Amino acid sequence: ETGVTQTPRHLVMGMTNKKSLKCEQHLGHNAMYWYKQSAKKPLELMFVYSLEERVENNSVPSRFSPECPNSSHLFLHLHTLQPEDSALYLCASSQAIRTSATGELFFGEGSRLTVL
Amino acid sequence: GESVGLHLPTLSVQEGDNSIINCAYSNSASDYFIWYKQESGKGPQFIIDIRSNMDKRQGQRVTVLLNKTVKHLSLQIAATQPGDSAVYFCAETPTGGGNKLTFGTGTQLKVEL
Repeated sequence: ETGVTQTPRHLVMGMTNKKSLKCEQHLGHNAMYWYKQSAKKPLELMFVYSLEERVENNSVPSRFSPECPNSSHLFLHLHTLQPEDSALYLCASSQAIRTSATGELFFGEGSRLTVL
Repeated sequence: GESVGLHLPTLSVQEGDNSIINCAYSNSASDYFIWYKQESGKGPQFIIDIRSNMDKRQGQRVTVLLNKTVKHLSLQIAATQPGDSAVYFCAETPTGGGNKLTFGTGTQLKVEL
C-alpha cells in the first residue's frame, strides 16, 4: 500500500456533472497538497493545507473546491468543469509546512480526469 | 517570471551507459532543489535533493550537481537500467519557501536495450 492513496484513478465527467476526488495519506503528515499535471506543462500547485487549514490557493477557479476534514484526508470537489480541466490531478503530503522544511513531497498516483 | 525548465524533452541512452539530465532555473533566491522521477501511470517519486550551500551530492547510482553561477542543475545516473525509464523533474524552492516547490516540465528518459 502506498503512503498516499488517490481515488478514483480515472474519472470521465460531463461539464454539468459534480464529482469529487479523494486523497488519503497514511504517513502521519500534517500538510497536504493538490497539484494539476497537464501534458508538457510543469506541475501546477493548486491548493495547500496545513493542519486542516487552507494556507494557499493559487488562483484556482471556483469550480474546483478543496476540502480537508482532517490531516489524513483531502478532497477536491469538481463542478461545472471545462474540457481544458482534463488533466492528471496529483495529491501530495509532507511532514509539515515550515519555511525551513526540506521540501520533500510524497505523491499519490493521481486521478486522471477527462471532461467531455 | 521565474521558471524552472529542462533543456531537452527526451533523452535516449543505451543500457549500461551513464545518463545526464539537465535543468536550468532562473530564481536567484532558489535555495533547495529536488529531482523527482515519474514512471508511467504513477506519481512523482523523490530521488535526491541538494541545498544551495552544496555543489554536489551523491546517492545510490545518482549524483546531483549544482552550479549556482549559471543557475544550472544536473542529475547523473550511472549504469542506466531499463527501470530508469521515466520522466525526470527538477523542482526548486527559494529560501523560506518551505514545501512549495516549483517544478520544471520534465525530461523523458528512454533506455534502449
